[in-house]
This record gives sequence, structure tokens and C-alpha cells, in this order.
Amino acid sequence: AQKVTQAQTEISVVEKEDVTLDCVYETRDTTYYLFWYKQPPSGELVFLIRRNSFDEQNEISGRYSWNFQKSTSSFNFTITASQVVDSAVYFCALQRGYQKVTFGTGTKLQVIP
Amino acid sequence: EAGVVQSPRYKIIEKKQPVAFWCNPISGHNTLYWYLQNLGQGPELLIRYENEEAVDDSQLPKDRFSAERLKGVDSTLKIQPAELGDSAVYLCASSLGLAADTDTQYFGPGTRLTVL
Repeated sequence: AQKVTQAQTEISVVEKEDVTLDCVYETRDTTYYLFWYKQPPSGELVFLIRRNSFDEQNEISGRYSWNFQKSTSSFNFTITASQVVDSAVYFCALQRGYQKVTFGTGTKLQVIP
Repeated sequence: EAGVVQSPRYKIIEKKQPVAFWCNPISGHNTLYWYLQNLGQGPELLIRYENEEAVDDSQLPKDRFSAERLKGVDSTLKIQPAELGDSAVYLCASSLGLAADTDTQYFGPGTRLTVL
């Protein structure tokens, strides 16, 4: 069985602070895929990143960075210099091949101006 | 390029009434998904289509829910009759469906259903 845990239900930060969203996953498979999606108040899930299990390179995209560690089954997401527009619910997700994607319960991020 | 389109965005109905949601996937995407998202939860898969074939409908409550994807493009999800517990957001997603290691799902804005 697959499971994704996002222990942080809600996080509030002041604008320009850095913030890390945690994601821990469980799977027995050796090949799997990890995702982060952003869901702003408008409701649409916006794709942010996809990571294959065999690629542990960390990735940086502008103010966003992702730290994938197989040893701890974690795929954490850091926003540097947060902005009000980053306020949203962020979902971590896990997929095995063409099997269904398992989503975490989400972390609501509020960036206070 | 247009994203996944869903309509309506909001729907309010009385319990026991029927309701239908429509989804138009990204052009060229062979795989289409319907998800249910309850408040404060992540999306949960209801059904997945490969072209016009439903390849995973194990989570679809078949006593009241039905879906179709005629011609392998647009899809409709129906609930009949609706119950109070069906109040949720219904999300549609699509993906190319060509190879597992590159397949990424793109989501529509969802339909927020309220059953009174």
C-alpha cells in the first residue's frame, strides 16, 4: 500500500521568510514517482514538480527547491523568500507506474504581508 | 495551450436530484481522471480512462455514480440520486498516458457540488 504523510496541517510565515513543507511517503516499490501540486483558493491543482525514484538530485526552480532523500523517504519542498502569492494548499503525491496517484492531506501555507 | 476545462464550476442541488459534470481534457491527452476532493483532504481517484476505456473504476460508487467518455475526448460524470455526503469538489485531470516515467496529470479547476 502507498501512503503520503504531510504532518504540517497549516503554516503561517511572514513575507520574505523561508518555509519548508514536509512530505514523507511509504511504498514497497523500487520505482515510483513523487509530485508536488499547489492549490490556490481558485481550486485548480497546479503541477509544480515530478521526481522519479531513481533520481535523487535536488532541484531548484527560482524560489522553489526540492530535497528528495530516499534514505528517509522524504520529499520536502522549500520556498525561499516567500511571497503573498505563495499562499495556497500544497499537496505531495506518490504514484507507482500507471497506478493511481496517492495524495497527502495537504499543507495550507499562509504568507502574511 | 488550453488547460483542462470543467463545467459547471459550482452546482447546488437538493438531495435525491441528479447532477452531471463535464470535462474537456488537454488536447492530445489520452488519459482522463475524475477525482473527488473532500474539504481538507487530498484528491481521491474515482475513475481513470485510457481513451474511451475505463481502466480503473474500483473507487467509483457504482450504485449512484456513472461516467462516460464517448469518442475518447470529453467526459461526463453523473450522480443519481445525489446524497448529502456527495458535497465535495469533483476534479478532472488529464495526461498524455504514453509512458509512466514521464506521465504527469494536469488538473482542471473543479466543480464544487453542494447537496442540500
